[in-house]
Amino acid sequence: AQSVTQLDSQVPVFEEAPVELRCNYSSSVSVYLFWYVQYPNQGLQLLLKYLSGSTLVESINGFEAEFNKSQTSFHLRKPSVHISDTAEYFCAVSLNTGFQKLVFGTGTRLLVSP
Amino acid sequence: GAVVSQHPSRVICKSGTSVKIECRSLDFQATTMFWYRQFPKQSLMLMATSNEGSKATYEQGVEKDKFLINHASLTLSTLTVTSAHPEDSSFYICSARVETGGTGNQPQHFGDGTRLSIL
Repeated sequence: AQSVTQLDSQVPVFEEAPVELRCNYSSSVSVYLFWYVQYPNQGLQLLLKYLSGSTLVESINGFEAEFNKSQTSFHLRKPSVHISDTAEYFCAVSLNTGFQKLVFGTGTRLLVSP
Repeated sequence: GAVVSQHPSRVICKSGTSVKIECRSLDFQATTMFWYRQFPKQSLMLMATSNEGSKATYEQGVEKDKFLINHASLTLSTLTVTSAHPEDSSFYICSARVETGGTGNQPQHFGDGTRLSIL
């Protein structure tokens, strides 16, 4: 079975500072990796994904994540955060076969203050 | 593209009522849809996987008679919470996956969720 660990439940940071949200996963087979963002009372929006190929993936709003197979990690980073980045961030994995059900981490709340 | 619409966004009803939640893929066909439940400040827990034209596959511990799922078309799946009670109060979220010629590596796209409150 797959599992995802997000050790930080909350990460406070000042605006324009860099941030890293940590994600580690466990799986005995190949998986796909995702980061989703959730704003209050809304569903999840896909931020970025790793399926194969280049281990560094980027989103259109400045976030990036790097797949590290040896460390089984998929940490999310942004060099300079904005107030509007305040949200809940979920890391997720899925098998690359079958229904590809998503297994989510417990989420990290990013709090950006001025 | 890949918009998923979920309705209603919020519902408040009395205990014993049955509530239906709709999940629609607006601009794509979704062979597979997923239903999740999210408790306050917690992660999403998969309840069931819904496939068009067949019975849903429920996760362990989810009562299939309590949470009825119907996936009658490639753009619509419904979740009916039957005889709802206060403990069923939660945030329910659906997702749908774009199917593109069987490549099988498309991400799930989520609806905005339904806040269900049972009095």
